[in-house]
Amino acid sequence: AQSVAQPEDQVNVAEGNPLTVKCTYSVSGNPYLFWYVQYPNRGLQFLLKYITGDNLVKGSYGFEAEFNKSQTSFHLKKPSALVSDSALYFCAVRDDRGGDYKLSFGAGTTVTVRA
Amino acid sequence: DTGVSQNPRHKITKRGQNVTFRCDPISEHNRLYWYRQTLGQGPEFLTYFQNEAQLEKSRLLSDRFSAERPKGSFSTLEIQRTEQGDSAMYLCASSIDPSPETQYFGPGTRLLVL
Repeated sequence: AQSVAQPEDQVNVAEGNPLTVKCTYSVSGNPYLFWYVQYPNRGLQFLLKYITGDNLVKGSYGFEAEFNKSQTSFHLKKPSALVSDSALYFCAVRDDRGGDYKLSFGAGTTVTVRA
Repeated sequence: DTGVSQNPRHKITKRGQNVTFRCDPISEHNRLYWYRQTLGQGPEFLTYFQNEAQLEKSRLLSDRFSAERPKGSFSTLEIQRTEQGDSAMYLCASSIDPSPETQYFGPGTRLLVL
């Protein structure tokens, strides 16, 4: 079984401040981890993924995420948030066992960046 | 634009009617996925295809739901005898080998059942 938890429904930060969106996961084997962003009435837009290798993954629009196996976490970060980063963020996981291709998503975290 | 496209973008129907949604994946993507997203929730997996073969279906996919991908290109998702609980955003995604590949999502079809 695979699952994701995003413990914060909402994150509020001031523009220019660091942004962190938390994600923890559970899988039987090794995780493939993804972050997506969703703007109102739009589909999901891929930001970045962790497959293997370096624990720090860099993605689109200045976002990065750190994989921590011991804490089963994959937190999304941005050093300096922009108002345009305000959106709904989803963490997703896929187990590398079983030939299963579906993604399991968290419930999402709404990020609001105030000017 | 060569992204995933979905039609229609919005659909309003009355309870008991049948509806069909279409998804056109990114060209040459061999895998195609359907997800459902309700308000305040993340997307939930419904089914996926590898080429024209439907390889997995979620238990969320009741007998009223059917999906096809007849030529391994576009896909359709049909809901028969719609219920108010079917109201949701239906998302399509596609991907291409090698695994573990990124799934790219379309804009979704928002269904409202009255």
